[in-house]
Amino acid sequence: QSVLTQPPSASGTPGQRVTISCSGSSSNFRSNYVYWYQQLPGTAPKLLIHRNSQRPSGVPDRFSGSKSGASASLAISGLRSEDEADYYCAAWDDSLYVFGTGTTVTVL
Amino acid sequence: EVQLVESGGGLVQPGGSLRLSCAASGFTFSSYWMYWVRQAPGKGLVWVSRINSDGSTTGYADSVKGRFTISRDNAKNTLYLQMNSLRAEDTAVYYCATELVNTPCDYWGQGTLVTVSS
Repeated sequence: QSVLTQPPSASGTPGQRVTISCSGSSSNFRSNYVYWYQQLPGTAPKLLIHRNSQRPSGVPDRFSGSKSGASASLAISGLRSEDEADYYCAAWDDSLYVFGTGTTVTVL
Repeated sequence: EVQLVESGGGLVQPGGSLRLSCAASGFTFSSYWMYWVRQAPGKGLVWVSRINSDGSTTGYADSVKGRFTISRDNAKNTLYLQMNSLRAEDTAVYYCATELVNTPCDYWGQGTLVTVSS
């Protein structure tokens, strides 16, 4: 089964830019969209980015996504205290929907 | 407003069964794929299962195939997950989620906790 690997943690001070990577082991990852979810402490996940780089309505433009080959990334610009959360990438691998290992973002 | 409310979680012994429900409102339930995703305590998200709009097509993660069954009742706007032969490693918060805009899991419920323990 496909694995999507993320760094366990990332951090920054308010106003900084933080980037989270997501690397796929499956050949399907190169040709499929990547999605990003944010999970604030004690709450259900929320869709943050779809189709590699598209933001749903209501998601601040501080959040941006990109994908190139077998790697994707989520960038948070102008980091704010309320961005402290777990972030997961996800993608389809044939008929299986695979979530990344997750990254905890800490605002110092 | 899209609302998804899970119920049916609780404590069950290893080898036991449990049926989760997800009551949907705020959208035309019968038109969309639906998902179950779980999260073990302190761990990451894991996709469990999905079902198409009329219930004719389903998919499962390898870890639950043959033990869990996803279904839906479009007349009741409700999604189900029948869980049999439960194991300790099935202990998790179970979330239901939608695919309203060609995006898996674009809206989520608040989750229901399943604990498998003797």
